[in-house]
Amino acid sequence: DTAVSQTPKYLVTQMGNDKSIKCEQNLGHDTMYWYKQDSKKFLKIMFSYNNKELIINETVPNRFSPKSPDKAHLNLHINSLELGDSAVYFCASSWGRQNTEAFFGQGTRLTVV
Amino acid sequence: AQKITQTQPGMFVQEKEAVTLDCTYDTSDPSYGLFWYKQPSSGEMIFLIYQGSYDQQNATEGRYSLNFQKARKSANLVISASQLGDSAMYFCAMRESPDSNYQLIWGAGTKLIIKP
Repeated sequence: DTAVSQTPKYLVTQMGNDKSIKCEQNLGHDTMYWYKQDSKKFLKIMFSYNNKELIINETVPNRFSPKSPDKAHLNLHINSLELGDSAVYFCASSWGRQNTEAFFGQGTRLTVV
Repeated sequence: AQKITQTQPGMFVQEKEAVTLDCTYDTSDPSYGLFWYKQPSSGEMIFLIYQGSYDQQNATEGRYSLNFQKARKSANLVISASQLGDSAMYFCAMRESPDSNYQLIWGAGTKLIIKP
């Protein structure tokens, strides 16, 4: 059983398109995250939700919109894709406490052409 | 200022040798947690080990141990008896107080290559 699953694993799309990445966790965690990993492998937080409430919203273009229908799901919708959006996007979940690790999905490699 | 610093962008280590991956952190919060993750070439992020700021003993998990030196604000990962499968990117991360909404702050990573 996959703890944090995100789909798709690979996404190749043209500039200007709109796409979504889905994430689901079956761990019962109350906090979910979206991270972007750039070509230099640097991980940057984009959004965090706690019990469906947005708690972290970093400086991200408003073309990126997270949606959390329930605490087990956190989807990422991207409008008007640009070349610079190409990256690996990771979903993660954890208990919203200091001493607990985050569990990651396998990542979605987004390539914008 | 960087909150998590990993000074070794890349390392080569002979198989079966021990390896130490450096991590220093910066925080004024007395309560924090430190984490290490492994990212193999397949891309997934794998949790390795955790150290709490109030933990009296260094954390250990199998071949992984964390050399926690609180006064020096360092949390180095030690891998004993390295194996070829240890070749990967390794990330150090810190989680601070509720004020930061417990977000994980990440280092830039160290690419470890184990030589046969």
